[in-house]
Amino acid sequence: DVKVTQSSRYLVKRTGEKVFLECVQDMDHENMFWYRQDPGLGLRLIYFSYDVKMKEKGDIPEGYSVSREKKERFSLILESASTNQTSMYLCASTSTRGITEAFFGQGTRLTVV
Amino acid sequence: QQQVKQSPQSLIVQKGGISIINCAYENTAFDYFPWYQQFPGKGPALLIAIRPDVSEKKEGRFTISFNKSAKQFSLHIMDSQPGDSATYFCAASSGNQFYFGTGTSLTVIP
Repeated sequence: DVKVTQSSRYLVKRTGEKVFLECVQDMDHENMFWYRQDPGLGLRLIYFSYDVKMKEKGDIPEGYSVSREKKERFSLILESASTNQTSMYLCASTSTRGITEAFFGQGTRLTVV
Repeated sequence: QQQVKQSPQSLIVQKGGISIINCAYENTAFDYFPWYQQFPGKGPALLIAIRPDVSEKKEGRFTISFNKSAKQFSLHIMDSQPGDSATYFCAASSGNQFYFGTGTSLTVIP
């Protein structure tokens, strides 16, 4: 069973804290993505990566950074968490070979207080 | 701007009825149009997908209708069941990029 695993289901952090969200996939996928999901706004792309050590900004990168040191792991970093970053964060991965399907993790519900 | 526009935002259907969710796009470079289903507390999962060289794809009770000239596609759920209650996202893809609609919350009443 293919998997995208996010390290935490729920997180509560204080304003100003540095926050790390981790995502691991076991499908040897080249592409990995971070989205945030908010009611009425759907899934908005924060950052994505096509390869190890490569990253590209998505539609809403402000306040976030990412790290991809290994092919299977893609981390989202909130440099200084703010209350407007309270959201559901979803990691996804896709392959450049054959199947186009995006596989999602179960999501991390982050609350910044 | 929103690359993929989805409507309605919410939908309530009686058990056994037909649920219809619509999406529209502008970028003619999109070449893959999936629908994702998301249950509460879970990540989205692929439900059904279509490529623009066909006008319809059916898998069980789920059908995608695709109108290339109008740049619109829709999801039809026949004989809707309470277990279909979820959030549905349409998406459009070109290369490695996915663009998602804003989602439709479907409630099927027993």
